[in-house]
Amino acid sequence: NAGVMQNPRHLVRRRGQEARLRCSPMKGHSHVYWYRQLPEEGLKFMVYLQKENIIDESGMPKERFSAEFPKEGPSILRIQQVVRGDSAAYFCASSMDRMNTEAFFGQGTRLTVV
Amino acid sequence: AQSVTQLGSHVSVSEGALVLLRCNYSSSVPPYLFWYVQYPNQGLQLLLKYTTGATLVKGINGFEAEFKKSETSFHLTKPSAHMSDAAEYFCAVSGPGPAGGTSYGKLTFGQGTILTVHP
Repeated sequence: NAGVMQNPRHLVRRRGQEARLRCSPMKGHSHVYWYRQLPEEGLKFMVYLQKENIIDESGMPKERFSAEFPKEGPSILRIQQVVRGDSAAYFCASSMDRMNTEAFFGQGTRLTVV
Repeated sequence: AQSVTQLGSHVSVSEGALVLLRCNYSSSVPPYLFWYVQYPNQGLQLLLKYTTGATLVKGINGFEAEFKKSETSFHLTKPSAHMSDAAEYFCAVSGPGPAGGTSYGKLTFGQGTILTVHP
């Protein structure tokens, strides 16, 4: 049973470009969570999605950031017009359902904005 | 609101010595508490969790933690450190769900503690 798969593992973007980060949850998991880890900081919750629905986006920046989890395919975190401050590690976690007590984390995508 | 405080951003121990990583939390809902370990350039791996029941929980790699409600603490311990334990450790508390109750995937993390183990 494959774990949570994130790609790419490393992503370099120039300022003003778009970054698309992908997350394939574990088989049978329909809940996805995105976190951001800035340098020297812990992980911060960004958004919680179920298939085709955004459940909680209280941690998402108001501009340039969006997330989706379509019926088919991976969850996508999109960052438009990236700036240097977006450089961070972005982690995705998935769980089977809201009552499941463990969310499994992927290995992250490390975004560098140059 | 949830918050987690990890006392000590860096902890250094000798191989074979006791490991103690401190974590205090606050939560507006009954807390579920977690310890994760992160090796360089890797994702997070769950060490152990407290949900309900026994307050002393045992995890992988010989780690354990005790939930103390009166002290709002969930300190992580290991009797004898091994070189392979060198990593960053994060304490986390579950947050409220969108419809009330507890959301186990929406976690509030502490700042992390980097554990160094000396030969």
